[in-house]
Amino acid sequence: GDSVTQMEGPVTLSEEAFLTINCTYTATGYPSLFWYVQYPGEGLQLLLKATKADDKGSNKGFEATYRKETTSFHLEKGSVQVSDSAVYFCALLLSNAGGTSYGKLTFGQGTILTVHP
Amino acid sequence: DTEVTQTPKHLVMGMTNKKSLKCEQHMGHRAMYWYKQKAKKPPELMFVYSYEKLSINESVPSRFSPECPNSSLLNLHLHALQPEDSALYLCASGYRATNEKLFFGSGTQLSVL
Repeated sequence: GDSVTQMEGPVTLSEEAFLTINCTYTATGYPSLFWYVQYPGEGLQLLLKATKADDKGSNKGFEATYRKETTSFHLEKGSVQVSDSAVYFCALLLSNAGGTSYGKLTFGQGTILTVHP
Repeated sequence: DTEVTQTPKHLVMGMTNKKSLKCEQHMGHRAMYWYKQKAKKPPELMFVYSYEKLSINESVPSRFSPECPNSSLLNLHLHALQPEDSALYLCASGYRATNEKLFFGSGTQLSVL
């Protein structure tokens, strides 16, 4: 079945450090890939997305590239801030060739990121 | 208005109670979702409504009963819940069930005693 695997956390970094959170997937069909972020006590917010191979999603200094050959969508940021502390979820959405997806997201297990001053 | 609003934010109920969770959006979205999230786990899809019709039920127990009275509102009626149903219940919406971007509410933190 379809699945998403994220690197195990938690990840603890100092401010201004480089961040990588690995994400790989298995899927049939034509997946779109997403990173969602969840701050404490809140719901999920879409951070970035990529809908086809070689697309790069970016937002707020975060980037991820859809790599079909390695079935990966790793999240990176060059310099993290304390305010980036949150849980990060990689997710995929399958569509058929006609683009119908039914809106069912499959999430990875989540990675807790803590950034210290 | 780009928000999905959920009420209440916190709910404590006994196993014999009946309660309802509410979700509202005014973005013109025609797809609405209920997700359940246990602590330190990813969200799990429960129900999908597309154009006010139930399109996906992920084999959720009948003690959870969804309702979509109009295109802006989504309810989740709760009856005879178990302690293991304690979780964060998230509502989400999207332009259509075929559209990939979901907007999530902040959730209702439910505790079943």
